[in-house]
Formats: sequence, structure tokens, C-alpha cells
Amino acid sequence: AQSVTQLGSHVSVSEGALVLLRCNYSSSVPPYLFWYVQYPNQGLQLLLKYTSAATLVKGINGFEAEFKKSETSFHLTKPSAHMSDAAEYFCAVSEGQAGTALIFGKGTTLSVSS
Amino acid sequence: EAGVTQFPSHSVIEKGQTVTLRCDPISGHDNLYWYRRVMGKEIKFLLHFVKESKQDESGMPNNRFLAERTGGTYSTLKVQPAELEDSGVYFCASSQAGSSGNTIYFGEGSWLTVV
Repeated sequence: AQSVTQLGSHVSVSEGALVLLRCNYSSSVPPYLFWYVQYPNQGLQLLLKYTSAATLVKGINGFEAEFKKSETSFHLTKPSAHMSDAAEYFCAVSEGQAGTALIFGKGTTLSVSS
Repeated sequence: EAGVTQFPSHSVIEKGQTVTLRCDPISGHDNLYWYRRVMGKEIKFLLHFVKESKQDESGMPNNRFLAERTGGTYSTLKVQPAELEDSGVYFCASSQAGSSGNTIYFGEGSWLTVV
């Protein structure tokens, strides 16, 4: 069975600091991996996705994530945090078959202080 | 192009009442999903339609929940009768048929409060 573990329910950084949000997955087949973001009172927005092409994936708003099969990880990073990055971030996995539903992690709330 | 739209955005109902949530997927998307996030918990899969057929409804919590997608376009999710533990945000999502790894696009959610 697939699962996703996000380490740390809350992460706090200063503006300009590195953002690192951790995600580990479990899957019996090569996975497809996603990061979604939810800003306050808004829906889920796709940040980036890994679909077995390049292992380093670049997304919107300066975020990127690296797929590491040996570590079963897909951590999300951004070199310099902005105040506008404050939101809740969700890592998700699917088996990759067309239309397969997503399995989500519990989410990580990112706070950015000035 | 319009995204996934959900109605109502917020609903407050009393325990025992009925609520119907509606989702309009992105035009042309055969796959339609319902997810739910109860306060403090993770986002959980409820069910998946391919066109008008239920592909997977393993996440539906109990028989108080009924989802339909007549004609393979919009979908409704009815909760009858609602219980306090049904409170949360209900997300609808859609994706194109075909290739693996297709992006699943989410709506803004319907926030349900049962009092």
C-alpha cells in the first residue's frame, strides 16, 4: 500500500532563509509524486510533480524538489523564503496508472517571519 | 479556461439535515474525484468517477454519503443525514483521461459545518 510521511507538522523560517519541507513515501511500484500548496481560505494548487523524467523537478514560485529513490524521499526546497510562502504544503503520491487517486501526507504548515 | 468549481463554498447545517455539494470539473476531464479533510486530519480520498461510472468508492465513509455524476459532467455529493463528524472541507478534483501522472486539479473546496 502507498503512504506518505511528512516530517514536521510546522516549520518556521525567517524571510530569506532556506525552506526545506520533508516528504518520504512508500510505494510498491514506481511512484508519481506531487507537492500541493494551500494558502489560507483557498483550494489546493499544484506546485510541482515528478513523473519519472528528471529527478530534480522545478515548480512554481521558485520551489523545487528532488526525487531520491534510494532514500524514498521527495523533499521540497526553496533557496529564499518570502512572506507570501506562508501556507500549508502537502506531499502526495499516486501509483502512476492513469487516473489513480492521490494519497496525501498530513501536511506541513510553513510560517515565515520578517 | 475555467478551473474546477464547487458550490456552495461554505455551508452550516444542523445535525440530521441534508446537504448536497456540487462540483463542476474542468471541461473535457473524464476523471473526477472527491476528497475530504476533517479538521486536523489529512486529506482523504472518497471516490473516483471515470465519466459517469464509479471507478473506486473505497473511501466513502458510510451509506450516509451518496455521490452521483449523471451524464459524466458535473457531480454531486449528498450527505444525509449529516452528523457532527462530517464537518470539514470537501474537495473536488479532476484530471484528463489517458496518460499516467496527469495533473489532478483541485477546486477551492466546500467547507461544511454541522452543528
